[in-house]
Order: sequence, then C-alpha cells, then structure tokens
Amino acid sequence: DTAVSQTPKYLVTQMGNDKSIKCEQNLGHDTMYWYKQDSKKFLKIMFSYNNKELIINETVPNRFSPKSPDKAHLNLHINSLELGDSAVYFCASSQEQSSYNEQFFGPGTRLTVL
Amino acid sequence: AQKVTQAQTEISVVEKEDVTLDCVYETRDTTYYLFWYKQPPSGELVFLIRRNSFDEQNEISGRYSWNFQKSTSSFNFTITASQVVDSAVYFCALSEASAAGNKLTFGGGTRVLVKP
Repeated sequence: DTAVSQTPKYLVTQMGNDKSIKCEQNLGHDTMYWYKQDSKKFLKIMFSYNNKELIINETVPNRFSPKSPDKAHLNLHINSLELGDSAVYFCASSQEQSSYNEQFFGPGTRLTVL
Repeated sequence: AQKVTQAQTEISVVEKEDVTLDCVYETRDTTYYLFWYKQPPSGELVFLIRRNSFDEQNEISGRYSWNFQKSTSSFNFTITASQVVDSAVYFCALSEASAAGNKLTFGGGTRVLVKP
C-alpha cells in the first residue's frame, strides 16, 4: 500500500501552460506539505496544510496555488509555468503539525518546463 | 533563523569502508528536532531518524549510527561497513518547536557513492 502518492510522476509541458499535481495520503495524517527540489538537489518547503488550513506559505510566487479538498489530499496547481519551475516536487505528510513529527514523502513529480 | 550545513557534497568509498557524514546546524530555539533522510537513485525520500534537542544519546540501528553533540551543534551520521545499496544522497534536516507548522529546513545533502 502506498502511503503518500503523487500523480503524475513525470510532467513535461510548455512555458505559459497551467498544470496540476495531485497528492494523496492514506496514513490518516492531519498535516501535508509541498517541497521543491531543484537541480542541485536543494530541498525547500513551499506550503503546509493542517486539516485543510494553510499553515506555511514560504514566499512562493502566487502562480502556485495549493488546494486541500480534505485532509487526505493536497494538490498543487501552477499557473503560467516558467522555465525556472522545472524541478522535482515532493508531497509529504505527518501525523500532526508539531515539529517533532517526522514527515513521510511521496515519490516526487519531476516537472520539466520547455 | 534556522540553517543546516552539510559541508561534504560527495563522498566516494569502497564497499566495506566506513563513511561519516557531517551535519552542522544553527538555531536559536532550545527545543528543536533533527532528522536524517536518505534519497536513493530512485528518487524517493526515506526517513531514517529523528533526534530531539534534549536527547544527546547516540543511536545505533544496524550499520547506521548517529552522533549528536549540542556543544558543537552537530548531528553526524556514520555508515559502518558500507554496501553498494547505501549509495544515495543523504539529507540532514532541522525543525524548530517555535516555528509555525512543522517546517523542515534541509541541508544541501551529501552524495555517497559506494563502489564494489
């Protein structure tokens, strides 16, 4: 059973397009996250949601809009894609939002903007 | 502001050698948590260990061991008798109790290459 799943695994698109990445967790966790990993492997948090409420928004361009229809899902929609958006996007979840909770990561979505 | 530094970008060893990955962190919090994650070539991120700031006991799990020293703000990771399957990028990360949400700040990662 996959704990944190993301679709699609690969996404290739043209500049200016709008795309979405879906994330689902079946762990019963309250908190979900999006991270971006750039070409140099640097990982940085983008957003976190706790029970569908936005908790962290790390100065991400407003072209990125997360949506949490329920606490098991956190989708990421990106408008007007730019070359610099090319990266691997990881979804993660944790039991709750306290800082001692380890985060469990999905397999990642590799986004390539041409 | 919190910061994690992994000074070694890449380490190459021959199988059965031991390898130690350095992690130095900065935080103003007295309560914080340190983590190690493994990212194998397949790309997923795998949780390895969590340590809280009040527990400086070293930990051993099989061939993996961790040395946490608050005096030097370090949380180093040793793989004993390395194997080819240990080849991966390893990330050290920090979360502060005072920060909103469970924000993980990652180091830049250390790529470990174990040659047969």
